[in-house]
Amino acid sequence: QSVLTQPPSVSAAPGQKVTISCSGSSSNIGKNYVSWYQQLSGTAPKLLIYDNDRRPSGIPDRFSGSKSGTSATLGITGLQTGDEADYYCVTWDSGLNAGVFGGGTKLTVL
Amino acid sequence: EVQLVETGGGLIQPGESLRLSCAASGFTVSNNYMSWVRQAPGKGLEWVSVLFGDGTTHYADSVKGRFTISRDNSKNTLYLQMNSLRVEDTAVYFCARGRTRQFDPWGQGTLVTVSS
Repeated sequence: QSVLTQPPSVSAAPGQKVTISCSGSSSNIGKNYVSWYQQLSGTAPKLLIYDNDRRPSGIPDRFSGSKSGTSATLGITGLQTGDEADYYCVTWDSGLNAGVFGGGTKLTVL
Repeated sequence: EVQLVETGGGLIQPGESLRLSCAASGFTVSNNYMSWVRQAPGKGLEWVSVLFGDGTTHYADSVKGRFTISRDNSKNTLYLQMNSLRVEDTAVYFCARGRTRQFDPWGQGTLVTVSS
């Protein structure tokens, strides 16, 4: 059971938009920055979003992040088959003094 | 180019020890937060440990007291000393520059299998 809650799976058609939620609490998302990662099958995770809503250079603006209260959201527009992957949120938990990941969300582009 | 390369994984019996290495290039380990994250077969990512630039360390409860994160500045390398290994420690272990605000880049991972 992960400290951060993500939906196990989401799906949408190519070209459409999808959002992935990450729900936490006042001790983690509520007071710390969230980052998001894409993990293609068999590869290392890749940074998509840091500091809640900032994109590293090289990440297309189809990917966006937001945070409100104790929840964060990753948005992906203009879905492509190459976006099929597992997506993870992570933040620091000030009560545990430890990092905490969401359980991951598998994106299927139908 | 900024790069991380992990080594040291393998098959090991329960109760034994193993040390993972993470060689960095393109940046200085001692000037950065450095972390370990693991992924059990078919499972999600699990945060393991972080080493701050000032030497402060934090660990997941699941490894506290058994794992130790450290670095060798002369070799620009991060380590994870894993003692009293358990079957449930079986995972691909990734090192990454940064902390939960931003893990970037990641190494390719090294597989640790704990089995009798």
